Amino acid sequence: KQEVTQIPAALSVPEGENLVLNCSFTDSAIYNLQWFRQDPGKGLTSLLLIQSSQREQTSGRLNASLDKSSGRSTLYIAASQPGDSATYLCAVNSGYSTLTFGKGTMLLVSP
Amino acid sequence: DAGVTQSPTHLIKTRGQQVTLRCSPKSGHDTVSWYQQALGQGPQFIFQYYEEEERQRGNFPDRFSGHQFPNYSSELNVNALLLGDLALYLCASTHWEGNYGYTFGSGTRLTVV
Repeated sequence: KQEVTQIPAALSVPEGENLVLNCSFTDSAIYNLQWFRQDPGKGLTSLLLIQSSQREQTSGRLNASLDKSSGRSTLYIAASQPGDSATYLCAVNSGYSTLTFGKGTMLLVSP
Repeated sequence: DAGVTQSPTHLIKTRGQQVTLRCSPKSGHDTVSWYQQALGQGPQFIFQYYEEEERQRGNFPDRFSGHQFPNYSSELNVNALLLGDLALYLCASTHWEGNYGYTFGSGTRLTVV
């Protein structure tokens, strides 16, 4: 059974800092991994999708890496802004098109 | 291009009642999945529909059932509501073939009193 863990559970940083969110998974036989952002009480917004054959993906200030063999992914946020404050969720697709989620990292960026 | 649309946005029900939630997938998507997200937790997979059939199911009781229509839209039904069913219910859509990733809706907030 796939299990996904996200560290840290919460993070508070001042504006402008670069930061790294971590995601680990127990079964390396994955199809892809997706990072989402969730604002309080809202749905999920897809940030980045990394296929199992890829090492990283970039979108603007966001960069996600994938090390399938070690069961790890990181989400790097450059020059953080208050608008980045949200919960970030990592989800692994291990096949059959179902996602297994971590509990998320709650990020607060203060001005 | 409309994304995933869910209705209603909020719902308050009494314990023991039945509820139906609705979802329209993103244009071009043919597969719909439903997730339950309790407060402070990651979403948990309920089930997935493709070609109007349930293809995969998570660890949820039979009180949770669903349906997919020919236009790919879907419903989630929950019978005999319990206080523990209080959650945000999320619908997600994708293509059945290919690893295109998922698009999620804004969710339905279900309160059970």
